[in-house]
Amino acid sequence: QVQLQQSGPGLVKTSQTLSLTCAISGDTVSSNSAVWNWIRQSPSRGLEWLGRIYYRSEWYGDYALSVKSRITINPDTSKNQFSLQLNSVTPEDTAVYYCARYPSGKSYFDPWGQGTLVTVSS
Amino acid sequence: QSALTQPASVSGSPGQSITISCTGTSSDVGNYNLVSWYQQHPGKAPKLIIYEVNYRPSGVSGRFSGSKSGNTASLTISGLQAEDEADYYCCSYAGSIIFYVFGTGTKVTVL
Repeated sequence: QVQLQQSGPGLVKTSQTLSLTCAISGDTVSSNSAVWNWIRQSPSRGLEWLGRIYYRSEWYGDYALSVKSRITINPDTSKNQFSLQLNSVTPEDTAVYYCARYPSGKSYFDPWGQGTLVTVSS
Repeated sequence: QSALTQPASVSGSPGQSITISCTGTSSDVGNYNLVSWYQQHPGKAPKLIIYEVNYRPSGVSGRFSGSKSGNTASLTISGLQAEDEADYYCCSYAGSIIFYVFGTGTKVTVL
């Protein structure tokens, strides 16, 4: 049974970098049969897919157009986890951030991490 | 890319059936049988209840079912129970530029 455990600060200053980590148990970040995602949820934007990474002999990443210039998702194979970095944040980036997995070849998110409320404030 | 359109709220009495619609476009819902549905209780992460339009994950009640016609997907909850009171979201794959789009969410109230 795959489980995802998120960690990271809940408060980030405007213009700085938001950083979150998602630790994986029950699977490996470099699995050829999984894709690892970040999704956020806010009252103003609803649920919004942010990006994904996956390993198929090499690492691949795809990002939402709305954050493409500011986002990086990286694997950490030594700790079996992956991370989200979102640069130059503004109060509009205030949201609950979730990590989530989907099986290779599929397009549904299961499971999800527990969520992290990140508030962006000056 | 706009969010998929769902009714803001739907209500029903215990034992009744309700249906939640999820309207997209020919670029997402209408073009792929890759619609999934999620149930979210307050303060919790979304939980997958339907995938690929009408498949239920192991452990999800048979009272949940999904369907699709054209650009609109639907989730039906039959035999409504108090525990079904939650927010429900649809999601569709939208191709290799947009990737995924979620619905606006529907609050289900059990009267």
